[in-house]
Amino acid sequence: AQSVTQLDSHVSVSEGTPVLLRCNYSSSYSPSLFWYVQHPNKGLQLLLKYTSAATLVKGINGFEAEFKKSETSFHLTKPSAHMSDAAEYFCVVSPYSSASKIIFGSGTRLSIRP
Amino acid sequence: DTEVTQTPKHLVMGMTNKKSLKCEQHMGHRAMYWYKQKAKKPPELMFVYSYEKLSINESVPSRFSPECPNSSLLNLHLHALQPEDSALYLCASSQGTGNTNEKLFFGSGTQLSVL
Repeated sequence: AQSVTQLDSHVSVSEGTPVLLRCNYSSSYSPSLFWYVQHPNKGLQLLLKYTSAATLVKGINGFEAEFKKSETSFHLTKPSAHMSDAAEYFCVVSPYSSASKIIFGSGTRLSIRP
Repeated sequence: DTEVTQTPKHLVMGMTNKKSLKCEQHMGHRAMYWYKQKAKKPPELMFVYSYEKLSINESVPSRFSPECPNSSLLNLHLHALQPEDSALYLCASSQGTGNTNEKLFFGSGTQLSVL
């Protein structure tokens, strides 16, 4: 069975400092992994996805993530946080057995201090 | 047009009311989804329609009744709901190829309160 674990329920950083949101996955197969962002009272928007083409994936709004098979990790990073990055972030894996039933991590709330 | 449009944005209903949530997309997607999201939790899958046929029902109570009139529209009919059904209801769509790398496009949701 496949799963994802988001290691931090809440991360707080100062504006202009780096962001690191951690995600570990469990999968017997080469996984399809995603990061989605949800701003307050909004739907989810895809930030980026990993599908085995390249281990370093660049997404929208300056975010990127690195797939590390040896560490079973897919951490999300951004060099410099902006106030507009404050949101809930979900790490997601798409199961090989049923692509329609994607599996969400528990979410990480990112707060940005002025 | 890369939007999924949901109406209404907010809905308050009594436990004896009948209401419907609507979702529309014009991206030519053939898979459409309903999710339920409680505060500070990830979305939970309720239903999936693939090519206008119900393909997944995650053991959702019968007071929730989905309908897919055509490839662009998805409805969720609500009847005799309970207060614990209060949540954000999200609609999503995807191409429907079945590939694991398929991205989902989400609407902004309907915030439902059951009194």
